[in-house]
This record gives sequence, C-alpha cells and structure tokens, in this order.
Amino acid sequence: GAVVSQHPSWVICKSGTSVKIECRSLDFQATTMFWYRQFPKQSLMLMATSNEGSKATYEQGVEKDKFLINHASLTLSTLTVTSAHPEDSSFYICSAAHRDATNEKLFFGSGTQLSVL
Amino acid sequence: AQSVTQLDSQVPVFEEAPVELRCNYSSSVSVYLFWYVQYPNQGLQLLLKYLSGSTLVKGINGFEAEFNKSQTSFHLRKPSVHISDTAEYFCAVSDGGSQGNLIFGKGTKLSVKP
Repeated sequence: GAVVSQHPSWVICKSGTSVKIECRSLDFQATTMFWYRQFPKQSLMLMATSNEGSKATYEQGVEKDKFLINHASLTLSTLTVTSAHPEDSSFYICSAAHRDATNEKLFFGSGTQLSVL
Repeated sequence: AQSVTQLDSQVPVFEEAPVELRCNYSSSVSVYLFWYVQYPNQGLQLLLKYLSGSTLVKGINGFEAEFNKSQTSFHLRKPSVHISDTAEYFCAVSDGGSQGNLIFGKGTKLSVKP
C-alpha cells in the first residue's frame, strides 16, 4: 500500500531555534497534504492543509508565521516550527491524500515528537 | 461545527473477548465517518470508513462498525480480539465534501491481555 514517510520521528531543541519536519509520499503523488498536532490526551487537531504549488490554508488559531508550510513538490511537504518555545512541544503528524478516479484515501506519517527545552 | 466524542479513553479486554469502542459525532451536515488505528511507533492506518449505502461497514482485521444516524454513533466492534489488536483507535469525521479534512476524537487505547 501507499507509504508516507515523516522525519524526524523525534527532535529535541532549545527554545528559540527552528525545527523542520518533512513529510514524503514515497510511492504516489499527493497534491494535498495535511498537518496535525496532538497534545497529550487530546485529539489530533488539523493545523493546516498544504496544496502543492500554492499557499497553505491554516485552521483558525494556528499562526501561519510560526508554522511555515512548504509544499514545493508532489511528494514533499515540510513544516517548520520557527522560534520554537516549550508550549510548541507536541506530537506532529502529516497525512497525504491519494486520489484516483473514484476514491480518495489518506495515508499518515508515523509522527514527530517535538520537545522544546 | 463538527465534533467527535470517544467515550472511553482506555479499554482493557482479555484475548478472544468481544470489544466495542464507542464513537459519537455531531454535525449539521452529512458526514463521512472513519476509524483509524495507530500501532506503537507507526502512523495511522485506515480500518474502515462509511461514506454512504449500507450502515454496517466491514474493515480490515475483522473489525466492523455500524453507522446509526438517529443516535449519531459509529461504534467499532470486533467479536474476538487478539493480542495484536492492542493499539490506539481514533474515530474521525469529515464533511460530505472531502475525505481529507478530518476531525478526530481523542482516541481509545485498546489493551488486549492474555
């Protein structure tokens, strides 16, 4: 089946630094990718929808200047957490939409645990 | 606005016992409903989904779910669980326009004991 690779799986950084997370669709082209965040004991919350070649669409309450999303190719979307702070510590998951003539399926990455010191 | 409630955060069961993981949703429009499973250190995998048609949906690994519009529920069931079913299960809903924009429940951790 389709595979989505997300890297890194975990990262620890100092407060004030920026962290980039990559999401790749390995065997299909994904015109749309999604980024989610999950705080402990909370549900996954959609942060933004990333469309190849255009600006991402952010959900209400998500700072677009803090969470930079780039979807420069049909197989790669990146999320950069700029000037990270401890409150940004969370589990981030991406998904990629695989569409054919009759169906659409989402395939998820394995997630990135970000810890900001 | 749509929302999803998974009533149980943890469900412990013994191997070969039946299990039901509960999910209720709220929406003012027609919806698509999903169950995803996340095994340790892996991404979410689709178990099953309801788009339209028969309200009883069969998925992978012997799981099934029934869409009940009057009760706004989409409970997940398996008649006999295995140790390998130990995982976290997420119910999700999207509006009728897209299967990609999902609202997730908080998840239910299923622990199957020998």
